[in-house]
Amino acid sequence: AQTVTQSQPEMSVQEAETVTLSCTYDTSESDYYLFWYKQPPSRQMILVIRQEAYKQQNATENRFSVNFQKAAKSFSLKISDSQLGDAAMYFCAYRSAWGGSEKLVFGKGTKLTVNP
Amino acid sequence: NAGVTQTPKFRVLKTGQSMTLLCAQDMNHEYMYWYRQDPGMGLRLIHYSVGEGTTAKGEVPDGYNVSRLKKQNFLLGLESAAPSQTSVYFCASSYFQGYEQFFGPGTRLTVL
Repeated sequence: AQTVTQSQPEMSVQEAETVTLSCTYDTSESDYYLFWYKQPPSRQMILVIRQEAYKQQNATENRFSVNFQKAAKSFSLKISDSQLGDAAMYFCAYRSAWGGSEKLVFGKGTKLTVNP
Repeated sequence: NAGVTQTPKFRVLKTGQSMTLLCAQDMNHEYMYWYRQDPGMGLRLIHYSVGEGTTAKGEVPDGYNVSRLKKQNFLLGLESAAPSQTSVYFCASSYFQGYEQFFGPGTRLTVL
C-alpha cells in the first residue's frame, strides 16, 4: 500500500520570504499523480499544484513550485514571496494512475504560519 | 456554478441514531468520493463511486453506506452512529481518474 509522509507538522515563514514543505512517499508503481492541497481555516480543500510522475519537468503555479525527485520519492512544495493568505494546512497526496485505485492517499499535513 | 456542496454543514447525533449526508456536484463529474478527516490523521477515503449506480469501498468503510442513484448526488449514510464516527466529512468529485478532485466545504459531525 502506498504511504505519504510529511515530516514537518508545523512550519513558519516571514511574509515575503520563501518556505519549502517536505513530502516523501512510498510506492512500487511507476505511474502516478502527486498533489499539494491547501486547507485554510475555512476547511475548504483547495488544489495548489499537480504533478504527473511521467513528467520530469517540475510543475509550477505562480508562486508555488515543486521539486519532484522520482528516484528519491520526494515531492516538496516551495512557496515564494509568502503572503499572509498562504497560512493554512498543506497536504501532500498520492494517486495511482492504474484503474481501480481511485483514492487519494494523504499525508498528515503541515501547518504553515506566515508571520507579518 | 456551485461546484461541490454538502448538506448539512454541522450535525450532532446521539449514539445509535442514523443520518444521511448529501453531496451534490454540478460539474458533470463521473467520480465522487467520501472522506473523513480526523485530527493528526489527514483524510481517509470511506467510499467512492465511478459513475451513476456504482459504489465501492475505500480505506475505512465500516459503519457507513453510500448510494449514487443520480450522477450529481452521492449520499453517505450512518445507520447507527458511534462516537468513533465523530469527524469532519468531505465529499469530492473529479471528471476522471488522475484529474483534480474538487472538494466540498465539509460537514462536522459529532456523535455523543
